[in-house]
Amino acid sequence: KQEVTQIPAALSVPEGENLVLNCSFTDSAIYNLQWFRQDPGKGLTSLLLIQSSQREQTSGRLNASLDKSSGRSTLYIAASQPGDSATYLCAVKNAGNMLTFGGGTRLMVKP
Amino acid sequence: NAGVTQTPKFQVLKTGQSMTLQCAQDMNHEYMSWYRQDPGMGLRLIHYSVGAGITDQGEVPNGYNVSRSTTEDFPLRLLSAAPSQTSVYFCASSSPGSPYEQYFGPGTRLTVT
Repeated sequence: KQEVTQIPAALSVPEGENLVLNCSFTDSAIYNLQWFRQDPGKGLTSLLLIQSSQREQTSGRLNASLDKSSGRSTLYIAASQPGDSATYLCAVKNAGNMLTFGGGTRLMVKP
Repeated sequence: NAGVTQTPKFQVLKTGQSMTLQCAQDMNHEYMSWYRQDPGMGLRLIHYSVGAGITDQGEVPNGYNVSRSTTEDFPLRLLSAAPSQTSVYFCASSSPGSPYEQYFGPGTRLTVT
């Protein structure tokens, strides 16, 4: 059974810092890995999707990498801003229609 | 293009009551899913559908029913609500082909007393 772990569970940084969020998974036979952002009381917004054949994806200040063989993904946020404060979730898709989610990293960026 | 919509946003039920959570998408996606999100448990799959007339169970299906009569709609039914079903429910959809990106609705916050 796929298990997804995100470390750290919570992170507080001053504005302007570059930061890395980590996601690890136990079964490397994935179709893709997706990073989401969730604001309090809101739904999930897709940030980046990395297909199994890809190593990284970039969108603006965000860069996600994937190392399938080691079962790891990182989300790099450059020049963090208070508006980046949210919970970040990673999810992997194996065969079938199920996404397996990590527990999330709660990020606070202080002005 | 509204994406994935869910109604209601909030609902309070008494134990034993029934209700239907609505989910609709306008992206012509064949795949639709229901997840629940609980503190400390993350998001878990309840039921999913790969097309009209086809549904299957996910990780936590007990106490929930689904049907898929159209491509656009995928309602989730609670037949006899229990306090353990207090949660936030999310509907998601995706196309059947690569890259299988999933799009989520805004969620329904359900409290069962």
